[in-house]
Amino acid sequence: GQQVMQIPQYQHVQEGEDFTTYCNSSTTLSNIQWYKQRPGGHPVFLIQLVKSGEVKKQKRLTFQFGEAKKNSSLHITATQTTDVGTYFCAGLGSSNYKLTFGKGTLLTVNP
Amino acid sequence: DTEVTQTPKHLVMGMTNKKSLKCEQHMGHRAMYWYKQKAKKPPELMFVYSYEKLSINESVPSRFSPECPNSSLLNLHLHALQPEDSALYLCASSQGQRLGSYEQYFGPGTRLTVT
Repeated sequence: GQQVMQIPQYQHVQEGEDFTTYCNSSTTLSNIQWYKQRPGGHPVFLIQLVKSGEVKKQKRLTFQFGEAKKNSSLHITATQTTDVGTYFCAGLGSSNYKLTFGKGTLLTVNP
Repeated sequence: DTEVTQTPKHLVMGMTNKKSLKCEQHMGHRAMYWYKQKAKKPPELMFVYSYEKLSINESVPSRFSPECPNSSLLNLHLHALQPEDSALYLCASSQGQRLGSYEQYFGPGTRLTVT
């Protein structure tokens, strides 16, 4: 079945440093979504990427979808303590119906 | 209103109990989901309702029984659970036309402990 690998599993940074998490799918994706889950909270939708090579920005967050639509990344510039949480990617395969979640990257930020 | 509500927030139940989890949304979404999430793991899909019909059951044991009374409500009936069923149970909703193609709005979850 479809698998979505996400790395790293954990990332600890000093406030102000940059952060990147990567997702790789075993199959071509129709789209990829990104969610953030704060400690003790629930997943909150961040963005969806659909087109090959797509790049979207939200303030300090930059999301990319690979040309082959099999990989994606989330980059945060100049992290803040409010960025703490687990970031999940979730991909929709071309021939199936459900989002496959990556295992998530837990980001901690030292003030 | 972009909120999904879930009750109760916490639930402790014995292995012989019967309980229900409730979920409600008023965004007009026609797809509703139940996920199970263990600590430090991603959400794991259990069931999907599309237009009030069960469209996906991810081989979930029969001790979990979903119900969709109307387009705004989703229930999960629990019976004879095992301690390993302890987890955060998340409800989500999205537009229903093509599952997985729209953002999902998650509720705050019910933290279930089975003793």
